[in-house]
Amino acid sequence: EVQLVESGGGLVQPGGSLRLSCAASGFTFSSYEMNWVRQAPGKGLEWVSYISSSGSTIYYADSVKGRFTISRDNAKNSLYLQMNSLRAEDTAVYYCAREVGATQPTTFDYWGQGTLVTVSS
Amino acid sequence: DIQMTQSPSSLSASVGDRVTITCQASQDISNYLNWYQQKPGKAPKLLIYDASNLETGVPSRFSGSGSGTDFTFTISSLQPEDIATYYCQQYDNLPPTFGQGTKLEIK
Repeated sequence: EVQLVESGGGLVQPGGSLRLSCAASGFTFSSYEMNWVRQAPGKGLEWVSYISSSGSTIYYADSVKGRFTISRDNAKNSLYLQMNSLRAEDTAVYYCAREVGATQPTTFDYWGQGTLVTVSS
Repeated sequence: DIQMTQSPSSLSASVGDRVTITCQASQDISNYLNWYQQKPGKAPKLLIYDASNLETGVPSRFSGSGSGTDFTFTISSLQPEDIATYYCQQYDNLPPTFGQGTKLEIK
């Protein structure tokens, strides 16, 4: 059974940093591209970032480019999102989502349960 | 960015009703469109990919159609467990973008 479990969310002050993790199991993690997708409270879905299976290809939404860094450790079956210079508008539930398999973000077939990031003073 | 516009934003229907949600893209996206279901407090779930293909394990009462700029998502006979918010999502161009969602309620 495919499982994605996010962790690392919490309350952080504006300008602060946070690192999210996503632990994957039930599939060959190193063979799949991965994504982060977020959802502000009561709002819709927003794609955040994509990383290829090897980590060599990365994409970001303009709203986080230069502030967020996606990475992965295939030996640990883990995906990460380093979030710096956080703003109030980054407040959201952050989901890791498995990519169906492409050279860019397309279709998200499995999602974690999400981790809430709250940016507030 | 490609804008995805869903209608209606909310919908109330009775069990057994046929329910239709539309999604319009701001430019031609061929069939590069997915539909997701999100139940309250849960993660989204992929239902339909490439506009009309049913994801494995998804009940056959769900279907999708369309190409170009206009797409339709249909539940042929609404069930109580279908109460959720439904999102379309395009992946023709980066960044992938979602519609604003359609909240489906039971009448």
